[in-house]
Amino acid sequence: GAGVSQSPSNKVTEKGKDVELRCDPISGHTALYWYRQRLGQGLEFLIYFQGNSAPDKSGLPSDRFSAERTGGSVSTLTIQRTQQEDSAVYLCASSLVYGGDYGYTFGSGTRLTVV
Amino acid sequence: AQTVTQSQPEMSVQEAETVTLSCTYDTSESDYYLFWYKQPPSRQMILVIRQEAYKQQNATENRFSVNFQKAAKSFSLKISDSQLGDAAMYFCAYRTTNAGKSTFGDGTTLTVKP
Repeated sequence: GAGVSQSPSNKVTEKGKDVELRCDPISGHTALYWYRQRLGQGLEFLIYFQGNSAPDKSGLPSDRFSAERTGGSVSTLTIQRTQQEDSAVYLCASSLVYGGDYGYTFGSGTRLTVV
Repeated sequence: AQTVTQSQPEMSVQEAETVTLSCTYDTSESDYYLFWYKQPPSRQMILVIRQEAYKQQNATENRFSVNFQKAAKSFSLKISDSQLGDAAMYFCAYRTTNAGKSTFGDGTTLTVKP
């Protein structure tokens, strides 16, 4: 696609429910990144996919968080048993292999609210 | 671990004036990349400017320029002739040459007054 697409744009869920957030990167971009942005704060790294390599999961805050990337394209971030502290904007970005050296292209994010 | 610090949570500037946003970082690497991103209320992060650490020349993109001081580990963003559309949150980011992820600062909210 022309840009990085994220869905849904907004999600309200009850505490304890599972949620799935989707990211569709730019076609041909082999690198995909997930970041979390709490209200008024900076970006917190979650996970990074690069081609067929094992993902860098070093930023996932707990085992309730997981992500996968199917066919080297679409990625899904899953949060199980959501907690109120999970409320944030989840941003996805993509880049070419070494295109991260030239910056990322971001999606518009998914605003997750846990009530 | 690399850290990025933006010491100004909020800044304001009069339309048509110049403003400088500060950023410092901590790293033991000699080669890396630095970025400024803009995040308007729409939430879409947009790359404003990038700097390669091995280049001494400061990057410039139209009204946006940087002052890169490698020894001081400082990377400030200057916005000249500020426009109302420049109002946004600005993030400084660091990336090594051999790692996928970038490290971001906490951001500076820029207000442009008409």
